[in-house]
Amino acid sequence: EAGVTQFPSHSVIEKGQTVTLRCDPISGHDNLYWYRRVMGKEIKFLLHFVKESKQDESGMPNNRFLAERTGGTYSTLKVQPAELEDSGVYFCASSPAGTGGGYTFGSGTRLTVV
Amino acid sequence: GDSVTQMEGPVTLSEEAFLTINCTYTATGYPSLFWYVQYPGEGLQLLLKATKADDKGSNKGFEATYRKETTSFHLEKGSVQVSDSAVYFCALSDNAGANNLFFGTGTRLTVIP
Repeated sequence: EAGVTQFPSHSVIEKGQTVTLRCDPISGHDNLYWYRRVMGKEIKFLLHFVKESKQDESGMPNNRFLAERTGGTYSTLKVQPAELEDSGVYFCASSPAGTGGGYTFGSGTRLTVV
Repeated sequence: GDSVTQMEGPVTLSEEAFLTINCTYTATGYPSLFWYVQYPGEGLQLLLKATKADDKGSNKGFEATYRKETTSFHLEKGSVQVSDSAVYFCALSDNAGANNLFFGTGTRLTVIP
């Protein structure tokens, strides 16, 4: 079974530019989550999809962040325009319906905004 | 709100030393508790979990016991190996429906030969 795939693995962009991160969950997993770890701090929840619907987006920091999950398969997280404080590692995770926290995580995308 | 407080790092140990990484939590209700590990260059992996008070999670020689009276879930291993070098994250899920995780800040462990 293929795991959760994220790309790119690294991205360096200038302040004000746009970046799109992609996550391919495990096939058949209804739940898809985005998390972010800012350097040295805790990993924080951003949002949760159930299939194509946003179940909870309470962790999204501001309206510069837009997440989509078209057709309930892969998901994208767009940051537009990027700011310096957006730098960090963005993790995606997926789980089957009804799972209590035991997700499978991807390797993360390290985003650096300069 | 829900939160996890984790032992500050980094931690450096010699091979075969005893490891403890402290974790305490604040939560309403009855959370599930987890330890995740991130090896260099890899994603987060579930190391172990416990879903109710007094449960003990264990895996790869690591153990943690869900202590409701002290709101703790400390990670222990009796004899660490160089291959255990990684970042360890304590986390909780509030089981309130969304199942999103609240993480601690992570503890970097380095084991030297």
